[in-house]
Amino acid sequence: SQQGEEDPQALSIQEGENATMNCSYKTSINNLQWYRQNSGRGLVHLILIRSNEREKHSGRLRVTLDTSKKSSSLLITASRAADTASYFCATDAGAQKLVFGQGTRLTINP
Amino acid sequence: GAVVSQHPSWVICKSGTSVKIECRSLDFQATTMFWYRQFPKQSLMLMATSNEGSKATYEQGVEKDKFLINHASLTLSTLTVTSAHPEDSSFYICSASPSGQGTFSYTFGSGTRLTVV
Repeated sequence: SQQGEEDPQALSIQEGENATMNCSYKTSINNLQWYRQNSGRGLVHLILIRSNEREKHSGRLRVTLDTSKKSSSLLITASRAADTASYFCATDAGAQKLVFGQGTRLTINP
Repeated sequence: GAVVSQHPSWVICKSGTSVKIECRSLDFQATTMFWYRQFPKQSLMLMATSNEGSKATYEQGVEKDKFLINHASLTLSTLTVTSAHPEDSSFYICSASPSGQGTFSYTFGSGTRLTVV
């Protein structure tokens, strides 16, 4: 069953602005991952944050994890047109299964 | 880095026919592969876990006789949609995790767009 919820469902911003997406989940996790999906394509792994970590950076990406609130956020700084895509969080609760959130459709306007 | 190849990228078939989708790990071995289904503008739903040399584990509500999974080698899993109907039209994506690396590393195929007419 789907356990992740993301908000907003859709986000449209101007190029150069920052984009923040949030993800909430329901059960205990080993780690949480963020993926990007361009329209009609497969998923690209962006970043993984373990349950004992609170913040992680990778280039223009910043991910936070609050296990007490069962939530995570993905911040994309200085957005570019190429960042236009859908972004999904996925939780790993064990048994090698990933459970995906509903996703945020991000549009970067030039 | 790990690469997963999925084929075909798109397929159109007639109702009642069967379609086979292949998922290959190109540069690593994967004892476990996963099959997902995605409807337009929705998230990925796990259909089944494909285990090399044994039966697949299906998620609740997924018909195992309709979605046949075969994982005959450490680099290949296939999903066959049998007696396809228009409601089976969807985007199917596989993923794999290199054997022995725990649950932290997943690589996804590029997906297969199935249209049943």
